[in-house]
Formats: sequence, structure tokens, C-alpha cells
Amino acid sequence: DQQVKQNSPSLSVQEGRISILNCDYTNSMFDYFLWYKKYPAEGPTFLISISSIKDKNEDGRFTVFLNKSAKHLSLHIVPSQPGDSAVYFCAASAINAGNMLTFGGGTRLMVKP
Amino acid sequence: KAGVTQTPRYLIKTRGQQVTLSCSPISGHRSVSWYQQTPGQGLQFLFEYFSETQRNKGNFPGRFSGRQFSNSRSEMNVSTLELGDSALYLCASSLETSRVREQYFGPGTRLTVT
Repeated sequence: DQQVKQNSPSLSVQEGRISILNCDYTNSMFDYFLWYKKYPAEGPTFLISISSIKDKNEDGRFTVFLNKSAKHLSLHIVPSQPGDSAVYFCAASAINAGNMLTFGGGTRLMVKP
Repeated sequence: KAGVTQTPRYLIKTRGQQVTLSCSPISGHRSVSWYQQTPGQGLQFLFEYFSETQRNKGNFPGRFSGRQFSNSRSEMNVSTLELGDSALYLCASSLETSRVREQYFGPGTRLTVT
């Protein structure tokens, strides 16, 4: 039973345009959400997070939106750059589960010059 | 500040052997978590240690174990290796505050079991 799902395995975007990566979750106990970027043979790099008490968080070109009623979050990257090409993972944390993260399956983003 | 370091980076073992992987967290971070990444199962939580105590455990067999030392460094051990244990093993550390729950990952140890 996948509690965190990223339904798009891949996404291709033109440089300068917006990239939108989506993530759905099922566990109502999740109250903190994170996005990570991963290159091959490297560990995931933390990008941005959001608490369930907010519906939006921005950091430079990255914005995460949270829709609690729909159990859906999205990561917007504007403008997209070729260096953003990587696999993006959505992760969720529950208030009563310490630092355990539950990850989605990842979305491979390709930004074309 | 130095990031999370993991040693060794690559390892080849034979079925039935055991292996120990090491992780040094970011200075000041007291929580260390371990994850396994495989093509089929994705990133899965193994266990978390805080103040030398295991705080959470994922759904892995008892062959997977770990420990944390007083300086927050952590090791994980896999005994009686199976082919399916071939994976990238990732360690992550975090500050222990109620407001900051981000985890920072090391580069991983690539384990190949033959």
C-alpha cells in the first residue's frame, strides 16, 4: 500500500518554462512534506518543505503547494533550467513517527535547452 | 559545515556474508536514519536512531540492524546477505526540533551482493 504516490514517472519541460511535479498521499497522519532532488549515484538533496498548517511555501524558484482536503501537493519550478534535470522525490512525515520519511516513487524531470 | 559522510562508498560482498556500513552525521545533528533504495521498491525507511536508541524501525527483517554511538555516528549491519540486499544504502541526519524536520542525506553506499 503506497502511502505517497507520484503518478508521473517522467516530465519533460522546455528551459524557461514552468515545471509542475505532483504528489498524492493517503495517510491523514502526515503533517510535514518535503521535496528532494536526486542525481544518479548521489544522495537526495533537500529542496523545500511545507508544514500542514500552511498551504504554500516559496524558496527562490521553488514553490510547494499543499491541498490538505485533496491530500495533494505540488512542486513548481519557475523558470526551469537544464541543471534542474534530475529525479524529484516527494516525502512525508507524521507527527508521531520521529524522523521517518515515507517517499514517493519519484518523477524524472528533463529540462530541454 | 561538513555534510553527512558515509563509508565505504562502494562494496561488493558474497551471499551469506555480513556487512557493516558507517555514517557520520552533520555536526550537531543527533538523529540518524537509514534508508534503502532499490529500483523495484524505491526509497524505504530502515530505522532511526536518536541518542543511541532506536526510535523507529521500518518493515525489514531482523538481519538488518544498526546502532548509534555517543558522538552520534551510526553503523548499520546486514547479516547473511541475500542477492536482494543489493541496493544503495542512504544515511540521513537531522536536528531534533519540532519546527525543523528536514533530513540531510549522505552520498550513500552502493552494496552489490553476488
